[in-house]
Parts: sequence; C-alpha cells; structure tokens
Amino acid sequence: DQQVKQNSPSLSVQEGRISILNCDYTNSMFDYFLWYKKYPAEGPTFLISISSIKDKNEDGRFTVFLNKSAKHLSLHIVPSQPGDSAVYFCAASRLNDMRFGAGTRLTVKP
Amino acid sequence: AAGVIQSPRHLIKEKRETATLKCYPIPRHDTVYWYQQGPGQDPQFLISFYEKMQSDKGSIPDRFSAQQFSDYHSELNMSSLELGDSALYFCASSRWGSQRETQYFGPGTRLLVL
Repeated sequence: DQQVKQNSPSLSVQEGRISILNCDYTNSMFDYFLWYKKYPAEGPTFLISISSIKDKNEDGRFTVFLNKSAKHLSLHIVPSQPGDSAVYFCAASRLNDMRFGAGTRLTVKP
Repeated sequence: AAGVIQSPRHLIKEKRETATLKCYPIPRHDTVYWYQQGPGQDPQFLISFYEKMQSDKGSIPDRFSAQQFSDYHSELNMSSLELGDSALYFCASSRWGSQRETQYFGPGTRLLVL
C-alpha cells in the first residue's frame, strides 16, 4: 500500500518561475517529512525536511509546507533554475519507519 | 493497490555471516533498484536490474551480489558482513518506458550486524 503519494509524475516549469511539488500521505502517525532530489543511477539526496510540529520550513530557494489536517505537504522552489531539473521524492517517517512517494520529475526550461 | 514488498523487515546478523534480502516489485514492474541508507545518511544507490539483467551499478561492495529472477523479484546477497553494513536497505521498482523514473519504494529491511 502506498502510504505516501506523489500524484504528478512530471512537472515542467519555466526558469525563474515557481515550482510546486505536491505530496499526500495517509498515515497520521508520520511525524517527520523529507524531500529528496535524485539523479539517474544515484541515490536520493536529502534536500529539506519538516517536523510535524511545524507547518513551514524554509532553506534558501526551497520551502516545504505541511498541512497536517489535509495530510499534505508541498515543496516550493523559487526561483526555479535549470539545475533543479531532477526527480524529487517526498518521504514520511515515524521512528524507524520511512516511506517514500513515487517521485515527480521536474524539468526547468531555460 | 499492491506495493513493493521487502522481506524480512528486520534482520540481525553477526560479523562474517551472510544475509539475503528479498524484494517483490509491484506487479508488471520490470525494473528493481536497491539502495542502502546508513544512519543519518542519504540512501546510496547500489544496483538495479531490468528484465533480469543488471542495468546500472552504484556503490555496491564486492561482498554483495544481487540478481533478478524470472518472476521479477530480486535478492540482495550479502556475505562476510561487517559492522558497517548495518543500515536500512530499500528496494524500489518501476516499469521501463513511460514514467520509468517513477520509483515505488518498499518499506525497507533494517539490517543490524553485531
């Protein structure tokens, strides 16, 4: 069962605009959420995270928003750059249990 | 919907022992990926298979081997285990072709080497 879902397999954005990647989860017990960036034949690389006690965490161009009531989180990248083109995975965890979404491929066009 | 199944979920071994981790992909998925995530680290890509053939190789130690079988399930064989092999091992599956970069991750196998 997919407890973490990324319903958009791909997203294309113009350079300089905002990229919004979405993620939904079903298990309300998850208390820590992460976004990873991934290139082919490499493992996912940690990008940004958020604890369930917060609703927003910002790191430079990257901001993660958490809506616990909707069991939804999103990653905002602004401004988007061509180097941001990659597959982005969201993950949710509780204690030692981590579940990944299926990924969204972001393409930032110059 | 069926997800990726990994077994066992937890495994405790001693140094120099062997371990076999199993991964059952989502039905009709033909590609399997293995990742190793150490404590506080990003998942590291180990190896992947497409249609029972190795498709990509990452940082998999020589002590490890893997294969994909005719039913598309995959096994990661780990020999001469070391303390540093203690990690969470993820398997992911995808279907080659459209959306091949969409990888569905399993829940992971937590290996502890004592």
